[in-house]
Amino acid sequence: QKEVEQNSGPLSVPEGAIASLNCTYSDRVSQSFFWYRQYSGKSPELIMSIYSNGDKEDGRFTAQLNKASQYVSLLIRDSQPSDSATYLCAVCHTGTASKLTFGTGTRLQVTL
Amino acid sequence: EPEVTQTPSHQVTQMGQEVILRCVPISNHLYFYWYRQILGQKVEFLVSFYNNEISEKSEIFDDQFSVERPDGSNFTLKIRSTKLEDSAMYFCASSGLDGASEAFFGQGTRLTVV
Repeated sequence: QKEVEQNSGPLSVPEGAIASLNCTYSDRVSQSFFWYRQYSGKSPELIMSIYSNGDKEDGRFTAQLNKASQYVSLLIRDSQPSDSATYLCAVCHTGTASKLTFGTGTRLQVTL
Repeated sequence: EPEVTQTPSHQVTQMGQEVILRCVPISNHLYFYWYRQILGQKVEFLVSFYNNEISEKSEIFDDQFSVERPDGSNFTLKIRSTKLEDSAMYFCASSGLDGASEAFFGQGTRLTVV
């Protein structure tokens, strides 16, 4: 059973702070990793993808991957109230387009 | 910006009735997916579709479910005889064939079975 684990939260951070979201996965052969943002009642919106060990930065977002530890994280710098949402970690088990296994998501609250 | 579109946004149906959920994937994408999310639960994979056939399906995708690409643009999910437990948000997604597997989701169809 391929599992993706996330702390459900809520994770509360003040506006302007760094939010750190974490995810672990069980399948060692996983190759592609994604972070989606989901507002309540809405669909998942792709924020970041990462395929190799290390960091990948895109604007205020940084994804970090450590395949040896089976760990992927998302950092959000200068957190804004509009970042308040549930962040879903998703893992793909092959190198080409295939099914995603999602975690339950971490609810982030950015407070004023 | 290209997007995946789904219709209807909300469908209410009686138990035992057939429903068809429709999706228009991003035009140059080649892989198509259906996922569902029961209220308060995680997003679950149902089926993937490539080159006019199912490439993978989950145990949820039983004989009551089918998918079809009836023309060059639409991708449909049919549930033959709906059950109360089929009530969920159904998301269509698509991804391209460029070595990456970023999947983009439609806005979803909320299916309510009464």
